Amino acid sequence: ETGVTQTPRHLVMGMTNKKSLKCEQHLGHNAMYWYKQSAKKPLELMFVYNFKEQTENNSVPSRFSPECPNSSHLFLHLHTLQPEDSALYLCASSQEALTDTQYFGPGTRLTVL
Amino acid sequence: GDSVTQMEGPVTLSEEAFLTINCTYTATGYPSLFWYVQYPGEGLQLLLKATKADDKGSNKGFEATYRKETTSFHLEKGSVQVSDSAVYFCALSNTGNQFYFGTGTSLTVIP
Repeated sequence: ETGVTQTPRHLVMGMTNKKSLKCEQHLGHNAMYWYKQSAKKPLELMFVYNFKEQTENNSVPSRFSPECPNSSHLFLHLHTLQPEDSALYLCASSQEALTDTQYFGPGTRLTVL
Repeated sequence: GDSVTQMEGPVTLSEEAFLTINCTYTATGYPSLFWYVQYPGEGLQLLLKATKADDKGSNKGFEATYRKETTSFHLEKGSVQVSDSAVYFCALSNTGNQFYFGTGTSLTVIP
């Protein structure tokens, strides 16, 4: 595997479910990110991890909970989501946090019913 | 604060037409500027970048020049192909650990 991979690619969940999104990067990078992509809106940076430490949390509701066990893996735990949380969730990585070129995964298309 | 503004889409062109997608930015200091492309069903890929004024980024026939005097980084291609159909995002990164994307411009190229 090369680059940045994300699983699952598609997820449908009810508002009471708990699910997790997984991201893995095979690039040896130090920083990882979660973005939310909604139609007709700029990409929203949600979380940034640098050397496994969270450095940014852009006012994201607590129903989204990130976890970064090591520099290669990033999770986004989801619970009691709302329909407006339906979006494409993109993971990215870069050598340095936020100032360097970012490499993106294919995204997880999330639908909340 | 820093921001990026790019032209509204969607843009529809015939094959071999000339493409321009406008991007302007607001930033303090000397940001780096990027164009990313997102093909259907995929994540974003870096298309090109420029790190200082007057630099020209280029890749796959696309070009963009970092113009500090007009705070612009317009994307151009002389002859588009059907395979260029995608969404294009302008972005900037700045000191202070910030990264900003534009809203994206959808391009459709018809044969």
